[in-house]
Amino acid sequence: EVQLVESGGGLVQPGGSLRLSCVASGFTFRYYWMNWVRQAPGKGLEWVANIKQDGSDKYYVDSVKGRFTISRDNARNSLYLQMNSLRAEDTAVYYCARDQGEAMAEFDYWGQGTLVTVSS
Amino acid sequence: SYELTQPPSVSVSPGQTATITCSGDKLGNKYACWYQQKPGQSPVLVIYQDNKRPSGIPERFSGSNSGSTATLTISGAQTMDEADYYCLAWDSNTVVFGGGTKLTVL
Repeated sequence: EVQLVESGGGLVQPGGSLRLSCVASGFTFRYYWMNWVRQAPGKGLEWVANIKQDGSDKYYVDSVKGRFTISRDNARNSLYLQMNSLRAEDTAVYYCARDQGEAMAEFDYWGQGTLVTVSS
Repeated sequence: SYELTQPPSVSVSPGQTATITCSGDKLGNKYACWYQQKPGQSPVLVIYQDNKRPSGIPERFSGSNSGSTATLTISGAQTMDEADYYCLAWDSNTVVFGGGTKLTVL
């Protein structure tokens, strides 16, 4: 059974940092592009970033470029999102999602999400 | 930046056909996906590559994409289909979601 389990969310002050993790199981992690998608409270979905199977290519939504860094450890079946210089507008549930296609944004499995709250 | 536009809400009676549109510049030249999200749950992929259904998705869900509009059609909508639906496309190495459409079936 495919599982994606996020962790690392919490309350952080504006300007602070947080590192999210997503542990994958039930499939060969190193074969897939992986993504972070977020959803602000009561709002729609917003794609945040993705990373190629070997970590050589990474892409970001404009609003997080220079502040967030996506990475992965295929030996640990883990995906990460390092979030720096956090702003109130980064408050959201953050999901990790597997792309079944080759960077086709066909997210066939999602985690349950981890809530990040940026507030003083 | 690329944008996708969806109607905020659509309402149908049970058994009727629900149609949800997604508009974007030359969207028909890209692949569109559709996601269903019920309250308190993670999204579920219901259509990919314009018109393909993942395993486990009922046949009443179908999709099309031409010109500037992608369409999700739910034939014979059921109360269990009541949810938010999001279209998605990727452009220039970035992924864009539509704003979402709340489908009410009652």
